[in-house]
Amino acid sequence: GDSVTQMEGPVTLSEEAFLTINCTYTATGYPSLFWYVQYPGEGLQLLLKATKADDKGSNKGFEATYRKETTSFHLEKGSVQVSDSAVYFCALSDGSGGSNYKLTFGKGTLLTVNP
Amino acid sequence: ETGVTQSPTHLIKTRGQQVTLRCSSQSGHNTVSWYQQALGQGPQFIFQYYREEENGRGNFPPRFSGLQFPNYSSELNVNALELDDSALYLCASSLGARDEQFFGPGTRLTVL
Repeated sequence: GDSVTQMEGPVTLSEEAFLTINCTYTATGYPSLFWYVQYPGEGLQLLLKATKADDKGSNKGFEATYRKETTSFHLEKGSVQVSDSAVYFCALSDGSGGSNYKLTFGKGTLLTVNP
Repeated sequence: ETGVTQSPTHLIKTRGQQVTLRCSSQSGHNTVSWYQQALGQGPQFIFQYYREEENGRGNFPPRFSGLQFPNYSSELNVNALELDDSALYLCASSLGARDEQFFGPGTRLTVL
């Protein structure tokens, strides 16, 4: 079945440091890929997405590129801020073979940014 | 525009009891999906309702059941609660079954 593997946390960085959170996936068909962010005490918010190979999703300074050849969708940000501290989830949605687009999530990576 | 809302925010139950969680979808959305997020884990898909019909189910036992009403709000029912059912339950609504999902803040269920 479908699965998502993302780097284990927690990740602790200083403000303005470069961020990479690795994510790889296994899926049949042609999945869409997502990064969600969860702030303390809140639900999930969509951060960015990519729907086909070589697409780059971007939002709020975060970027991720859909790499079909390496089945990866790594999240990057050039300069993190304290306000970026949250849990980040990589996810895929594979609607092939069915009509619903259930999301399959990784386990999440806790990011803490110190001033 | 009101987003996805869930009630209650927190709930404490004992083993063997039954619980009902509620979700109001975003205006104009006809699809609701439910997820279980155990502590330290990613959300896991329970099931999806599209226009009042179940439209896909994850690997959860039959004691997890749901409903969707004509206004597209939804309920998740869990019977015979077990300790491992303790989790954050997330509801997400979407314009249609194949569209982007918008998540509510979740209901934190603790089973003692």
